[in-house]
Amino acid sequence: EVQLVESGGMLVQPGGSLRLSCAASGFTFSSFWMHWVRQAPGKGLVWVSHIKGDGTITNYADSVKGRFTISRDNAENTLYLQMNSLRAEDTAVYYCAKDSWYLNSWGQGTLVTVSS
Amino acid sequence: DIVMTQSPDSLAVSLGERATINCKSSQSVLYSSNNKNRLVWYQQKPGQPPKVLIAWASTRESGVPDRFSGSVSGTDFTLTISSLQAEDVAVYYCQQHYSPPYTFGQGTKLEIK
Repeated sequence: EVQLVESGGMLVQPGGSLRLSCAASGFTFSSFWMHWVRQAPGKGLVWVSHIKGDGTITNYADSVKGRFTISRDNAENTLYLQMNSLRAEDTAVYYCAKDSWYLNSWGQGTLVTVSS
Repeated sequence: DIVMTQSPDSLAVSLGERATINCKSSQSVLYSSNNKNRLVWYQQKPGQPPKVLIAWASTRESGVPDRFSGSVSGTDFTLTISSLQAEDVAVYYCQQHYSPPYTFGQGTKLEIK
């Protein structure tokens, strides 16, 4: 059974940094693209970033480009999202998701709150 | 970027009646390798992650009740719930998985009338 468990979300001040993790199990992690999707409180889903199975290709939404970095450790079956220069508008639940031609497995999400 | 426009923003339907949600993409999301559209429908209930209902515009995910169906005409996509059940109350999203950024529609909130 595929399991994705996000962690690392917390309250952080504007301008601060945070690293989110997503622990994966139940599938061959290195074979799949992985994504981060976020959802601000009471708002819709927004795609953030993705990374190829071997880590060689990444893409980002314009809203996070230059501030966020996606990475993965295939030996540890873990996906990461390094978030720098955080803004109030980055406040959201962050989900990781597995890509099998589409996002067919999602974690429960981790809440990031950016506030002073 | 591909813009996904859903309508309506909210919808109230009586139990047992049909619910229809629309989604329009600003450009084609047709995947040439299999001639299928890279369009996904999700259902999201409060406090839960999204759940895939329909992939490739019209292929129902395993375990999804057959009252849910998806259709396409060009760049216009439709999610239909043939007979609304109480457990179908949720927000529904479309997403294109054709090219990054993999944009979502704004969501449609479905309620019971």
